[in-house]
Parts: sequence; C-alpha cells; structure tokens
Amino acid sequence: GDSVTQMEGPVTLSEEAFLTINCTYTATGYPSLFWYVQYPGEGLQLLLKATKADDKGSNKGFEATYRKETTSFHLEKGSVQVSDSAVYFCALTTNTGNQFYFGTGTSLTVIP
Amino acid sequence: DTAVSQTPKYLVTQMGNDKSIKCEQNLGHDTMYWYKQDSKKFLKIMFSYNNKELIINETVPNRFSPKSPDKAHLNLHINSLELGDSAVYFCASSQLLGSDEQYFGPGTRLTVT
Repeated sequence: GDSVTQMEGPVTLSEEAFLTINCTYTATGYPSLFWYVQYPGEGLQLLLKATKADDKGSNKGFEATYRKETTSFHLEKGSVQVSDSAVYFCALTTNTGNQFYFGTGTSLTVIP
Repeated sequence: DTAVSQTPKYLVTQMGNDKSIKCEQNLGHDTMYWYKQDSKKFLKIMFSYNNKELIINETVPNRFSPKSPDKAHLNLHINSLELGDSAVYFCASSQLLGSDEQYFGPGTRLTVT
C-alpha cells in the first residue's frame, strides 16, 4: 500500500545551520507530495508541495524536490531560524486513492 | 476569518462520558476529515466525508460516530470515553477527495480522566 517514511527525530540545530529532513515514499499511481508544518499548539499547515516528478516545491526558504528515481522528497533549508522550531510531516496522496498518507513527523528544535 | 474551526479547543472529561467535537469550514470544500494525533505526534486518519457521505472509516471503535449535517460541518461524537481516547483531534477539509492539499483546524485536546 501507499506509505511515507520520514527520518525520526528529534532534530536539534543551532540557528543558521543547514537542515535536511529525509522523506521517502511508496505509492501506486502518480502521487502528489507535500510537506506540512505544525507549530506548537497549532494545527498542521501546508509548507510546500510538488505534484509531478522533478518538480521543486519551495516556501519560506524551505525546498523539496520530487525525485521519482529515488522515491524521495527530502526537505531542506539553508539557514534555519528559531522560529522554524516545529514538527514537520511528509505526506502523499495519489490520483487513485482517496486519502492522505502522513509520515510520523519529525520534531525540529532550533537553538539560538 | 478562520477557514477551519473546531470547538471546543480543550475538553476534559471522565471515563464513561459522552462528548462531541464540532468542526466547521468556510472554504466551500466538498471533503472533510477527522484525524487523531497521539502524544508522539503520530497522525492517524479516522474518517473522511465527501459531500456528506462517509468515504473512509478506518479501524476506529464504533464508539466514535461522525455526523455531517451539511458540507460545511463534520462533527465527531464519542460515546463511553476511555483513557486511551486522550489525544488531540484535528478536523481538516480539502476541495477534492484525496488529491488536493488539506486545511487543518486548530485541534481539540481531549483529556479523559
């Protein structure tokens, strides 16, 4: 079945460090891929998305490229800030399915 | 205006009680969802409704019953609450079933004592 696997946390980084959160997927059909972010005490909100192979999603300095050959959608940011501290979820949905599949979430803490 | 709203934000109750959580979306979306998030932040889909019809009912105890009076509302009623029901419950909506981004509500933190 369809699924998403993302790196386990928690991840702790110093401000201005480089961030990578790995995400790989298994899917039938042609999935759309998403990164959601959940700030403390809030609901999830969409960070970026990519709907076909080689697409790059980007937002707020975060980027992720849809790699069909490696079935990956890794999240990156060149210089993290304290305000990026949150839980990040990789997710997918397919045009043959009827639901989202979320990863287990990766907690990021950025320290000054 | 809040896109997806839930009430209440916090709910503390005793085992055995019956409680409801309400959800409303003003985005004009056709599909709404309920998710349960445990203490480790794991997110599990419970129900999905499309145009007021139940589409997905994952392995959720039948003590949980969703009700969709119209496309903009999806309420969750829980009977005979148990300690293990303690979690944060999120409502979400999307324009299309399963193929579009979802918009989440702020969550309802349920604590069963």
